[in-house]
Amino acid sequence: EEQLVESGGGLVQPGGSLRLSCAASGFPFRIYWMHWVRQVPGKGLVWVSRIQSDGTVTTYADFAKGRFTMSRDNAKDTLYLQMNSLRAEDTAVYYCAREDPLYAFNLWGQGIMVTVSS
Amino acid sequence: DIQMTQSPSTLSASVGDRVTITCRASQTIDSWLAWYQQKPGRAPKVLIYKASILESGVPSRFSGSRSGTEFTLTISSLQPDDFATYYCQQYGSYWTFGQGTKVEIK
Repeated sequence: EEQLVESGGGLVQPGGSLRLSCAASGFPFRIYWMHWVRQVPGKGLVWVSRIQSDGTVTTYADFAKGRFTMSRDNAKDTLYLQMNSLRAEDTAVYYCAREDPLYAFNLWGQGIMVTVSS
Repeated sequence: DIQMTQSPSTLSASVGDRVTITCRASQTIDSWLAWYQQKPGRAPKVLIYKASILESGVPSRFSGSRSGTEFTLTISSLQPDDFATYYCQQYGSYWTFGQGTKVEIK
């Protein structure tokens, strides 16, 4: 079964850091572009970042530039999101998602909650 | 950046109703548009990609269409399982989601 499982969320103080992980299984992780998408509870979906299949190119939403770093370890079938200088407005559920060039985001993780609060 | 304007934000309907949700792109994206369904506490699920192609396993009552930069998701006969929030997403130039449409019971 194809699956993405996020971990690493939790409560962090403003200005703090957190690293999210997304473990992939059941498909050839190394060939896919991957994304992070976030959602404030009760609000809409917001694209955060993308990484190409070999990990050499990343792209970020403006709010993530300079604070978030996306990476991947294809040997471990794992995706990461390092989040620094966290703000209250970063509080959200974070999803990892697999992109297929034709099919859009056709596999999502279950989501992981990140709460930034003192 | 491409903006996606989705309407309505909320839609009240009854089982059996025909439902239409619209998304307009701020510039051309060809047919690089997907529709997702999201239920409370769950991840989004793709229903339609490339504007009109139904994802495998998605009921045929769902359909998508395109007219220029305007895209439509239609549910031909609303079923109890369809009460959810729907999002469009353009993936022609980076990635942008619409604001979402909550389909609720009338």
